[in-house]
Amino acid sequence: GQNIDQPTEMTATEGAIVQINCTYQTSGFNGLFWYQQHAGEAPTFLSYNVLDGLEEKGRFSSFLSRSKGYSYLLLKELQMKDSASYLCAVTPRGGSYIPTFGRGTSLIVHP
Amino acid sequence: KAGVTQTPRYLIKTRGQQVTLSCSPISGHRSVSWYQQTPGQGLQFLFEYFSETQRNKGNFPGRFSGRQFSNSRSEMNVSTLELGDSALYLCASSKQGAVGEKLFFGSGTQLSVL
Repeated sequence: GQNIDQPTEMTATEGAIVQINCTYQTSGFNGLFWYQQHAGEAPTFLSYNVLDGLEEKGRFSSFLSRSKGYSYLLLKELQMKDSASYLCAVTPRGGSYIPTFGRGTSLIVHP
Repeated sequence: KAGVTQTPRYLIKTRGQQVTLSCSPISGHRSVSWYQQTPGQGLQFLFEYFSETQRNKGNFPGRFSGRQFSNSRSEMNVSTLELGDSALYLCASSKQGAVGEKLFFGSGTQLSVL
């Protein structure tokens, strides 16, 4: 089975940096997704990490440590439009490719 | 390229009724997955279809069923609705449903059971 844990809610200030953590326990692990979901909208893909380390994409970066079962999403230069839910999802190794999602972290960015 | 389309956007039903939700994937995508999203449980996997066959199934009762047509469009059905079925139902598509393939989600169907 898989157990994924992320904070329920976080708040941050416009222009700041915020780190959203995700820890997981799984019997088999292939990779980890991050998705962004604005209220009332579809989740959209942000990143997929398979190897240890940091991957940067513009203002967003995602980090993975396979040995620690830990990932984080780093958002820099926060903008009001970054207020959304951020979903962490783990994909298993072998067999079904179906990702298991965490409950999501609601990020509120205030002026 | 059109995205994933789900209809209807909103639905209100009463307990005991049944409901059918529709999903049109991105053109060329053969894998369609369904998820239930609630504030308390997050996204929970219902089932996945590939080439008209159910390939994976989550831990939901048999009241939840689905199917996929030859054009990859998919429907899910919930029979004998219960209050606890109130949720956002999301459909997601990908090309092959392979490991690490990103999912493209529709905006969902918000189902309210009264």
